[in-house]
Amino acid sequence: QVQLVQSGGGVVQPGRSLRLSCAASGFTFSSHGMHWVRQAPGKGLEWVAAIWPDGSTKYYGDSVKGRFTISRDNSKDTLYLETNSLRTEDTAVYHCARSDGASGWYAVWGQGTLVTVSS
Amino acid sequence: SYELTQPLSVSVALGQTARITCGGNNIGSKNVHWYQKKPGQAPLLVIYRDSNRPSGIPERFSGSNSRNTATLTISGAQDGDEADYYCHMWDSTAGVFGGGTKLTVL
Repeated sequence: QVQLVQSGGGVVQPGRSLRLSCAASGFTFSSHGMHWVRQAPGKGLEWVAAIWPDGSTKYYGDSVKGRFTISRDNSKDTLYLETNSLRTEDTAVYHCARSDGASGWYAVWGQGTLVTVSS
Repeated sequence: SYELTQPLSVSVALGQTARITCGGNNIGSKNVHWYQKKPGQAPLLVIYRDSNRPSGIPERFSGSNSRNTATLTISGAQDGDEADYYCHMWDSTAGVFGGGTKLTVL
C-alpha cells in the first residue's frame, strides 16, 4: 500500500547534526514533490522544506534556511532531511509528506520521528 | 510572507454543526487544504482544494472558500471529530499553515 516510513531522529546536543530519512513505497516516488513538516511540543504544524520531483528545486522555511538541507534519491525512493547546527527550538516531531496536485496538498504522511535537541 | 489566521478553539454540541475559519488576504483566490490532527498521529487530510473530500472522509466534512475566509464545516459533529484542525496552502515558494484550531465536542 501507499506509505512513507521514517527513520532517524533521536536526542542530539545543540550545534550537532542529524539526518532524517523517509522511505516511500506503493507509488511512483519520482513523480511527486516531497515536503517536511514539523510540530514542536504544544505548538502547531510548521512547514519546513520542499523538493521538486526531480530534485532540481528546493525551498526552505525561514527558521531552517541555511541550516537544513532537503534531498532525495529517486533510485532508492527515499527522501532525506539533513539537519545541521541544531537548536533547542528545533525540538519537534518531524513528518515527511507527499505533495499532490498543483496546489500541493498532503494526502500521504510519514508516521513522524521525534528530534530532541538538548544538552 | 503570507499568513493564515485561525481561532484557537471552537466548541460544538454533539450532533450539531461546527465551523472553523481560516482567514487570509484574498484567500478566496488560493487553494486551501484542511487537516485533522490527533495526538500521537500523523495529520489526516480531510479537505483539499477548498471543498474536495478525499475518499474515506465522511460526508459531514465540507469546505468553502471565498474572499478573505476559508471555512471547514463539520455537520453532525461526533466525539471522534474532537481534534486540532489546520488549514494549509502553498504560497509559490513556501508552505503555510494556520495556527490550528482545537475542536471540542461537548
